[in-house]
Amino acid sequence: KNEVEQSPQNLTAQEGEFITINCSYSVGISALHWLQQHPGGGIVSLFMLSSGKKKHGRLIATINIQEKHSSLHITASHPRDSAVYICAVSPSLRSTGNQFYFGTGTSLTVIP
Amino acid sequence: DAGVTQSPTHLIKTRGQQVTLRCSPKSGHDTVSWYQQALGQGPQFIFQYYEEEERQRGNFPDRFSGHQYPNYSSELNVNALLLGDSALYLCASSLLDRSGNTIYFGEGSWLTVV
Repeated sequence: KNEVEQSPQNLTAQEGEFITINCSYSVGISALHWLQQHPGGGIVSLFMLSSGKKKHGRLIATINIQEKHSSLHITASHPRDSAVYICAVSPSLRSTGNQFYFGTGTSLTVIP
Repeated sequence: DAGVTQSPTHLIKTRGQQVTLRCSPKSGHDTVSWYQQALGQGPQFIFQYYEEEERQRGNFPDRFSGHQYPNYSSELNVNALLLGDSALYLCASSLLDRSGNTIYFGEGSWLTVV
């Protein structure tokens, strides 16, 4: 079983729709990251969360530490949001350095 | 300020050959981690280097080895290449002693083994 599970695996939305991507994890963490990967391969860090909620433009990320669950929301989705969104966690054990466990990603396509 | 840079961006190797991939971390970062990402999968942790030593290793065979130089740049070496080694290899840099710090990724090196 993977330490990080994401859903859905694939998501197609019409431009303007509200999008939610979910992430559940099974290990104790010091932080959870939402990452964006475009077809070229490069990964960009969108959010780093250890509690509560963060907002950046049309993107909102929330985390519930007790339930070991996080969500990434995109409001008023746009075709340029099309990418793979990856959830990653930093385990809380200091001995692990800053190794990350990654989800398999959610492939989002926003249709004009 | 340059972020994480990786080279080469694409390469094709023959089964059984050896390959070396290179990574320069973001300025000020002392820790380099390498990941393998197969098509349709999330990145899998290979190993992490700090102070020129392998600090932690994922579930990869000894054919995968690495090195970190005093300037914090790093290399990933893969010997006796298999077709299954075809993947995107990502390098990430960060500061080790700051828990929860943001991680920076390079654009990756696409390796195709034929």
